[in-house]
This record gives sequence, structure tokens and C-alpha cells, in this order.
Amino acid sequence: GDSVTQMEGPVTLSEEAFLTINCTYTATGYPSLFWYVQYPGEGLQLLLKATKADDKGSNKGFEATYRKETTSFHLEKGSVQVSDSAVYFCALSDESDGGSQGNLIFGKGTKLSVKP
Amino acid sequence: EPEVTQTPSHQVTQMGQEVILRCVPISNHLYFYWYRQILGQKVEFLVSFYNNEISEKSEIFDDQFSVERPDGSNFTLKIRSTKLEDSAMYFCASSEIRFGGYTFGSGTRLTVV
Repeated sequence: GDSVTQMEGPVTLSEEAFLTINCTYTATGYPSLFWYVQYPGEGLQLLLKATKADDKGSNKGFEATYRKETTSFHLEKGSVQVSDSAVYFCALSDESDGGSQGNLIFGKGTKLSVKP
Repeated sequence: EPEVTQTPSHQVTQMGQEVILRCVPISNHLYFYWYRQILGQKVEFLVSFYNNEISEKSEIFDDQFSVERPDGSNFTLKIRSTKLEDSAMYFCASSEIRFGGYTFGSGTRLTVV
């Protein structure tokens, strides 16, 4: 079945460092890919998404490119801030599964801590 | 910005007791979901709900679980007889369309003792 694998955390960076959180997926069809973020004490928020190969999702300085050839959707940010400290979840939704109502399959989450 | 609201934020219950977790989805959304996250593990799909009926459920969603939309605004998850392993964070979500991404609530942390 479909699955998402993302790098284990926690990841600790200094402010203004470059961030990469790796995410790879396995899907039988043509999934849409998402990154969600969970700030401390809050719910899951959609950070960005991409619905087809070579699409780039971007938001708040974060970017991820849908790479079908490597089945990846790595999250990157050029210069992280303390306020980016959160747990980041990679997820997919497989639209080609005709029976699916769009439920998401999540990775385990990667905790990011950014130090001043 | 519209929000999905979940109550309570934290619930402690004794094993064998029934619990009801409550959610108020965004008003114009049509698809509703429950997910759970056991501490340190993946966020897992439980059930989706559309047009006043369950449209999909996972193998986790056994006969102990039920969902209801009793009044057109609330969306509830009931666990009939809680077990220790039901301890988790439960997230409600809603979406306007099927594959566009959801809006999640802040979650209810359920602790079964």
C-alpha cells in the first residue's frame, strides 16, 4: 500500500541555517503531496502542496518539489528562524484510488528546533 | 480565518468508559475526517464522512468507534469502551473538496487510565 517515509528527527539548527527535511513516498497511482506543520500546542496546518510531477509548492519561505523519478518531496528553507521550530509532516493523498475519499497518509513527523 | 474547533483539549477517562470527542468543522466544508496520533508514532487515518455517512474507514476503526453529525454543525467521535491503547491525540479535519488538503483542529489528547 501507499506509504510515506521522512527523515528521523529531531533536527536542531542555528538561526539562518539551511534546512532540508527528506521525504520519499510509495504510491500505486498519482498522489498529491503535502507538507503539514504542527507548532507547539496547535493543530496540523497545511504548509504547502504539489499535485503533479515537477510542481513546486512554496509558502513562508519553504519549498518542496514533486520529483516523480525519485519519488521524493523534500522540504527546504534557505534561512530558518526560531519561529520555524515545530514538527513537520510529509503526507500524500492518492487520487487515483477510486475508492478514496482523499484520506491522507502521513510520515512520522520530524521535529525541528531552531536555536537563536 | 475559519477554524476547526475540537473539545475538550484533554480528556482523561477510565478504561472501559465511553468517551465522545467533539469537533465543529468549517461551515461550508463537506468532507469530515478523524485521525489519531499515538505518542511518537504516525498520524493515522481513522474515518472519513461525507453526505451524512461514513465513506471510508481504516482497520483501526472497529466496532468500538462510531461517528455522528448530530445537528449539521458538530461532528463527533465516540469510543464505546475505551482501552489503554486508545490513548492518543485525536485530530478532526474538514475539507471543501476531496483532494485539496484539509483544515485540522488542534486535537484532543485522550488519556485512558
